[in-house]
Amino acid sequence: GAVVSQHPSWVICKSGTSVKIECRSLDFQATTMFWYRQFPKQSLMLMATSNEGSKATYEQGVEKDKFLINHASLTLSTLTVTSAHPEDSSFYICSTEGVPGDTQYFGPGTRLTVL
Amino acid sequence: AQRVTQPEKLLSVFKGAPVELKCNYSYSGSPELFWYVQYSRQRLQLLLRHISRESIKGFTADLNKGETSFHLKKPFAQEEDSAMYYCALSKETSGSRLTFGEGTQLTVNP
Repeated sequence: GAVVSQHPSWVICKSGTSVKIECRSLDFQATTMFWYRQFPKQSLMLMATSNEGSKATYEQGVEKDKFLINHASLTLSTLTVTSAHPEDSSFYICSTEGVPGDTQYFGPGTRLTVL
Repeated sequence: AQRVTQPEKLLSVFKGAPVELKCNYSYSGSPELFWYVQYSRQRLQLLLRHISRESIKGFTADLNKGETSFHLKKPFAQEEDSAMYYCALSKETSGSRLTFGEGTQLTVNP
């Protein structure tokens, strides 16, 4: 299966600052990546679908101006949490879709804590 | 909108006992159903998908469209099966835009 990495694995920031999280597909080219958020003891909630070379598709209720997604290459998608607040503290997980019809391969996640 | 429900947040069984993790879904089309597993300190990974109709690590799951269920079963649980299990649904396009259930934490006691 595909290998997906995320950086950083955890980050602590002050309220009002912006944080960038990277998602890399290490061994294949991913035209589509997904960003999820997981609050403690809750399920994964899809935030947006990141498409290489085009705008991301956001799920209902997700603020696109707050969660900026850039998918500039076939191996890298970034999620920037702008003007972070304590309620944005969560576990952010990315995944990539392999060849069409394949399953998703998940990154290890990034723990964001906003003070 | 589609929805996935896992009624049990916690499930505890003894080693060697049968185990069934329940999953129900609601979706008007023809969904694709998955079970993902997350072992302690590891990333989420695919366990099985209904279109494959295969058994992975002794687990099986059958899609019951009449009952809109996709329960995960294993006849003899092992301690290494202890993990968080998520049922997930995708619309007709395979693998894309997954909707996850709340997850069931399975503990297999010695």
